[in-house]
Amino acid sequence: NAGVTQTPKFQVLKTGQSMTLQCAQDMNHNSMYWYRQDPGMGLRLIYYSASEGTTDKGEVPNGYNVSRLNKREFSLRLESAAPSQTSVYFCASSRGVTKGIQTQYFGPGTRLLVL
Amino acid sequence: KQEVTQIPAALSVPEGENLVLNCSFTDSAIYNLQWFRQDPGKGLTSLLLIQSSQREQTSGRLNASLDKSSGRSTLYIAASQPGDSATYLCAVRLDSGGSNYKLTFGKGTLLTVNP
Repeated sequence: NAGVTQTPKFQVLKTGQSMTLQCAQDMNHNSMYWYRQDPGMGLRLIYYSASEGTTDKGEVPNGYNVSRLNKREFSLRLESAAPSQTSVYFCASSRGVTKGIQTQYFGPGTRLLVL
Repeated sequence: KQEVTQIPAALSVPEGENLVLNCSFTDSAIYNLQWFRQDPGKGLTSLLLIQSSQREQTSGRLNASLDKSSGRSTLYIAASQPGDSATYLCAVRLDSGGSNYKLTFGKGTLLTVNP
């Protein structure tokens, strides 16, 4: 049982390049999330997927797109990377978003540097 | 807008000392509050979750308390060990009805326990 896995662990991009961050969970969770963590800013929610087939914007969605490929996988895409997107990206999952089922389990993170 | 503040930003203590980490939030209408641990270069691990109707939760040497009316939570660590060195984050979930999922994180307290 690997929990939440993320690939890649580290990536360097040039401004304007695109890339997709991959996330998978093996806990049969319904809900998945993407966060970014920046020094002095804390963790901020980018997008979330309450259940397979649905996605919604979080606090800082601009410049990102997501795909809930199936129940296990939730990807985050940067279409045209900008230096402001340099950050550590965390994927998380939970059984659901409704009350009573909220503990989120986090992956190890992807460190992204945009030059 | 919910804001979460953690004080102090950093704390260094000798091994064996009991310590308290503080978390405050501006909107007292929360559904629950969670304490997480983050090791350097790693993801977040949930330590304790306190429902809004609860006053405290305990797990081993950790005790978290919640005073919703005053917008405060504390994480008490007894008999600290060098292995407790990490960043501790608190996060609150608003009780806005429906299925509001959003966690608002504090910026964390970096704890160093010296042997």
